[in-house]
Amino acid sequence: AQKVTQAQTEISVVEKEDVTLDCVYETRDTTYYLFWYKQPPSGELVFLIRRNSFDEQNEISGRYSWNFQKSTSSFNFTITASQVVDSAVYFCALGSNAGKSTFGDGTTLTVKP
Amino acid sequence: GAVVSQHPSWVICKSGTSVKIECRSLDFQATTMFWYRQFPKQSLMLMATSNEGSKATYEQGVEKDKFLINHASLTLSTLTVTSAHPEDSSFYICSAGGAGSYEQYFGPGTRLTVT
Repeated sequence: AQKVTQAQTEISVVEKEDVTLDCVYETRDTTYYLFWYKQPPSGELVFLIRRNSFDEQNEISGRYSWNFQKSTSSFNFTITASQVVDSAVYFCALGSNAGKSTFGDGTTLTVKP
Repeated sequence: GAVVSQHPSWVICKSGTSVKIECRSLDFQATTMFWYRQFPKQSLMLMATSNEGSKATYEQGVEKDKFLINHASLTLSTLTVTSAHPEDSSFYICSAGGAGSYEQYFGPGTRLTVT
């Protein structure tokens, strides 16, 4: 069975602080994909990143960076110099070769000015 | 990325009535579509997998007679909530993927409120 755990339910930081959102996953598949999505109050999911199980290279995109550690089954997301507009619910998800995704419970990030 | 639309974006209906939600892939052919449900402050839970031209596959605990899914073409899947009750009030999100693809493209969601 697939499982995604986001242990942090809520995080609150002050603007310009760095913040890391944790994600731990479980799967028996050898090939899988990991995703991060942002869900603002409007509800629409905003795709942030997709990483396949064979690519452990870390990625940086502007203020966002991702650390994929297969050895610990983790795919953590860091926002550098957070901004108020980063406030949202962030979901980590695990995708199978059938195309469907298993989502974590989400982390609500609040960035205060 | 690919574009997936949902209609309506929100709907309010009375208890006992049925509501149909459409999910369209606008710029690619989606052999598979997925329907998720999200209750307030909770995660997205997969309800069913919709395959073009065949019956949908429902996740455990989801009533197939209550949530009717039709995937009659490669660009359209519909979810009908039959005899809706207030506990069916939720945010319904569809996603679409191509054949043999790990990709999923999510629609903007439909907020259903049953009074």
